[in-house]
Amino acid sequence: GAVVSQHPSWVICKSGTSVKIECRSLDFQATTMFWYRQFPKQSLMLMATSNEGSKATYEQGVEKDKFLINHASLTLSTLTVTSAHPEDSSFYICSARVSNTEAFFGQGTRLTVV
Amino acid sequence: GENVEQHPSTLSVQEGDSAVIKCTYSDSASNYFPWYKQELGKRPQLIIDIRSNVGEKKDQRIAVTLNKTAKHFSLHITETQPEDSAVYFCAATRGGGSGNTGKLIFGQGTTLQVKP
Repeated sequence: GAVVSQHPSWVICKSGTSVKIECRSLDFQATTMFWYRQFPKQSLMLMATSNEGSKATYEQGVEKDKFLINHASLTLSTLTVTSAHPEDSSFYICSARVSNTEAFFGQGTRLTVV
Repeated sequence: GENVEQHPSTLSVQEGDSAVIKCTYSDSASNYFPWYKQELGKRPQLIIDIRSNVGEKKDQRIAVTLNKTAKHFSLHITETQPEDSAVYFCAATRGGGSGNTGKLIFGQGTTLQVKP
């Protein structure tokens, strides 16, 4: 199957700083990627849809100025958590679909804000 | 938008027994329903999926049924084994293309414990 690579796998940052997470499709082109957030023992909550060459579409309740998404190429989408706070600590995971086939997920990024 | 409800939240079975997890969805236009298994700290892994043009699909010990009229679908695991213990998520989407982004909406998850 297709491969989606996410980096870093884990990151610890100080409160008030920004963190960038990368999501790459390694063997296919992804015009659309999706960013999810997962708190412990909870489900994957869709944050936004990342569209290559255009603005991301954010789900209701997700602050677009806090979670900056850039999809500058067909193989790379980035999520930047700006001015991170402890409540932003979570597991962030990206995914991409090839046409109408299954979704392929990155490894996820464990963000801890101290 | 789409809303997916999943039950039960936890399920404990004896090894060898069957396990059933049920999901309902709200968007009648949804046409693709995957099931994922997620182990702690890892990415979700697709275990089976079904499209709206079929009512049932089976892959060895795993099967999924879909009732479009009632807008619900179920995961069936037979002859459960301890290694089946994990969190299982259902999801639904309209599919990609034709103006649809294909975003997956997940159920709340079911923690399955298979006791040896």
